[in-house]
Amino acid sequence: DAGITQSPRHKVTETGTPVTLRCHQTENHRYMYWYRQDPGHGLRLIHYSYGVKDTDKGEVSDGYSVSRSKTEDFLLTLESATSSQTSVYFCAISVTGTGQPQHFGDGTRLSIL
Amino acid sequence: TQLLEQSPQFLSIQEGENLTVYCNSSSVFSSLQWYRQEPGEGPVLLVTVVTGGEVKKLKRLTFQFGDARKDSSLHITAAQPGDTGLYLCAGPNFGNEKLTFGTGTRLTIIP
Repeated sequence: DAGITQSPRHKVTETGTPVTLRCHQTENHRYMYWYRQDPGHGLRLIHYSYGVKDTDKGEVSDGYSVSRSKTEDFLLTLESATSSQTSVYFCAISVTGTGQPQHFGDGTRLSIL
Repeated sequence: TQLLEQSPQFLSIQEGENLTVYCNSSSVFSSLQWYRQEPGEGPVLLVTVVTGGEVKKLKRLTFQFGDARKDSSLHITAAQPGDTGLYLCAGPNFGNEKLTFGTGTRLTIIP
């Protein structure tokens, strides 16, 4: 168990509302990631972080922002949620420091109505 | 972004049978990772293969990396219901080292 906690686990909200998902790790791993998983697309990287206040975009970053003010927490924000952002969101960490994730949280199922 | 195609997309077999699933690309990868994901959970890393031609075994699971490092296979011997899940392969893109994931093979083992 790599000690990754995602919250909330499920959320239903309306189009246009802001949404923030939280990822918390119990160890001081440098790299953290946010992915979304959709049928037919697999897992796609949204944003990642390589340290406190150090973040960068992934392949599907439009409409998302992130923040990392503490090593243990990585937040994903949808400023104005759209139906196309309905998905399952996974946080991941790299325990080897290679820049590639090895451990994933159990996901947040987000529905935008 | 380098693409990874997995086949078959779905596979349903009886307990005790053997099976092989594939992960293919037209691009060369420096390594490939295999994950298993169960419903309601995140992917769990099973293995990383690094060298062309490399074979790694994890109990009844055998992973092979192609000689040209463009493909990989996962062979399961005497499948059990506990092997049921979504199997994902992933590899780092040259240049940025971020992982590209395949779309997965959904495996169901029927008792």
